[in-house]
Amino acid sequence: KQEVTQIPAALSVPEGENLVLNCSFTDSAIYNLQWFRQDPGKGLTSLLLIQSSQREQTSGRLNASLDKSSGRSTLYIAASQPGDSATYLCAVNNNNDMRFGAGTRLTVKP
Amino acid sequence: DVKVTQSSRYLVKRTGEKVFLECVQDMDHENMFWYRQDPGLGLRLIYFSYDVKMKEKGDIPEGYSVSREKKERFSLILESASTNQTSMYLCASKRNVGNTEAFFGQGTRLTVV
Repeated sequence: KQEVTQIPAALSVPEGENLVLNCSFTDSAIYNLQWFRQDPGKGLTSLLLIQSSQREQTSGRLNASLDKSSGRSTLYIAASQPGDSATYLCAVNNNNDMRFGAGTRLTVKP
Repeated sequence: DVKVTQSSRYLVKRTGEKVFLECVQDMDHENMFWYRQDPGLGLRLIYFSYDVKMKEKGDIPEGYSVSREKKERFSLILESASTNQTSMYLCASKRNVGNTEAFFGQGTRLTVV
């Protein structure tokens, strides 16, 4: 059974810092990996999807990388802003089996 | 804009009631999922469906059932609500072909008293 771990569980940074969130998974036979953002009390918003054949994917200030062989993905956030404060979740997808990490709660202080 | 819509944002139900949580997607997706999210436990899969009238148990199906009579609608049913089913419930959908992304609804916060 796929297990997904996210480190750290919580992170607090001053505005403007670049930061990295980590996601690791135990079974490298994945279809894709997806990063989500969740604001308190809300649903999940998709940020980036990386196919198993890709190494990285970029959207604005966000860059996600995937190293399937080592079972790792990182989400890089450049020039963080208070509006980036949220919980970030990674999900590893094996067709119909989508497994989530517990998330990293990010606080960006003005 | 793609849409997954859950019928209620907040629900309060009494112990023993039969509870229906509805989810509708407008993307013609084959796969639909129900998760619950609890602090410290993350998202756990309750049931998923890969076609109309088809369903598969997830990791925690006990106390729940589902219905998928139409492709766009996936319902989660709590046959007899209990306090340990107080949680955030999240519905998701995705295509069944290729490496496609999943989309989530806004969540339903259910409190059973």
